[in-house]
Amino acid sequence: EAAVTQSPRNKVTVTGGNVTLSCRQTNSHNYMYWYRQDTGHGLRLIHYSYGAGNLQIGDVPDGYKATRTTQEDFFLLLELASPSQTSLYFCASSDANSDYTFGSGTRLLVI
Amino acid sequence: AQKVTQTQTSISVMEKTTVTMDCVYETQDSSYFLFWYKQTASGEIVFLIRQDSYKKENATVGHYSLNFQKPKSSIGLIITATQIEDSAVYFCAMRVGSALGRLHFGAGTQLIVIP
Repeated sequence: EAAVTQSPRNKVTVTGGNVTLSCRQTNSHNYMYWYRQDTGHGLRLIHYSYGAGNLQIGDVPDGYKATRTTQEDFFLLLELASPSQTSLYFCASSDANSDYTFGSGTRLLVI
Repeated sequence: AQKVTQTQTSISVMEKTTVTMDCVYETQDSSYFLFWYKQTASGEIVFLIRQDSYKKENATVGHYSLNFQKPKSSIGLIITATQIEDSAVYFCAMRVGSALGRLHFGAGTQLIVIP
């Protein structure tokens, strides 16, 4: 069954720490996205990609890097984590004009 | 610039009644696509229904339907015969034709269905 799988489900790190969030999709979709969800803000786009090796900046990219290594795999990197990056992170995939398939989310706590 | 606004933070309704959740959008594009998603208590986000801007007929899927008022830039989600399991957060989203792929989301509306 086509899906979007995120790992880890939960992560705790210290301020200044290095974190990588992983996302794999088996939908054969070209587009992949990283969003963060915070109370009162809904879902805000961090980075997205049209395909392997492609990266696009979203609306809240500061403090985040991303890398799309294959069509299936999209990573979000926090190289110097800060408490403001404590959030629920969602990965999603889609075709150009289709709806999104979301992963189950990664809850990140930066202490 | 694109913007999606959901002004209702939370709505409570009695089970088996009908509820409408509001959403207004802003775009300069003549072609756009509107979506509604549901986020359950477990955090799972699922696609519910979509409306393409060029279609005049309101979309319907099961007990979900849309009230698309293009002159008002409004796309309301109507849930008829609400059930307890409809309790969730509902997000409105928009994609514009000139920016394939990405969606712009509203802040969400929490629906509480009271038995």
